[in-house]
Amino acid sequence: KNQVEQSPQSLIILEGKNCTLQCNYTVSPFSNLRWYKQDTGRGPVSLTIMTFSENTKSNGRYTATLDADTKQSSLHITASQLSDSASYICVVRRGGYNKLIFGAGTRLAVHP
Amino acid sequence: DTGVSQDPRHKITKRGQNVTFRCDPISEHNRLYWYRQTLGQGPEFLTYFQNEAQLEKSRLLSDRFSAERPKGSFSTLEIQRTEQGDSAMYLCASSFSLAEPAKNIQYFGAGTRLSVL
Repeated sequence: KNQVEQSPQSLIILEGKNCTLQCNYTVSPFSNLRWYKQDTGRGPVSLTIMTFSENTKSNGRYTATLDADTKQSSLHITASQLSDSASYICVVRRGGYNKLIFGAGTRLAVHP
Repeated sequence: DTGVSQDPRHKITKRGQNVTFRCDPISEHNRLYWYRQTLGQGPEFLTYFQNEAQLEKSRLLSDRFSAERPKGSFSTLEIQRTEQGDSAMYLCASSFSLAEPAKNIQYFGAGTRLSVL
């Protein structure tokens, strides 16, 4: 079954600290993997998108990694800010299909 | 504002009533998607259009749900005879299909939150 699983389900960190969110997927065939940030009450916003051949991609303080062999991805947030408080959703596009498969998200809370 | 816009932002209705939501995509985008998101979960695909053609529908889209995109621009999602289980955030997204798949980013609207009492 094509699934995307994320861990942890929720995370609390102090402002200025780093954190890493995990994503495992069983989607096949694989096309690309995206990380989205979703603020409460808002639609998801794309952070990064990686294809099979890309191992890492950065967007400011966000760095995503992809291991297509083990079907794992991570999103590392450096020097967290209060505005990073949101849900981070891992999304995989299945090759040959147009719809995306979403994980349930990791809810991150950054406290002062 | 040139992003994806959805209307209304919130809708409260009584069980059994019909509701209709509207989505205006980014103007040059030819693909439009509808998703449903419940609390603590990621969005679930409902259906998508390329121009005015509805190309795929999820099994989640029961016969009470219908979506249209009559002129290939805005889209409407109608739910007939609403049930309490329909309570969710309904998200619309758009993209440009001619971009290579790795660059085919879906841009989401803020969603319509439906509460069925």
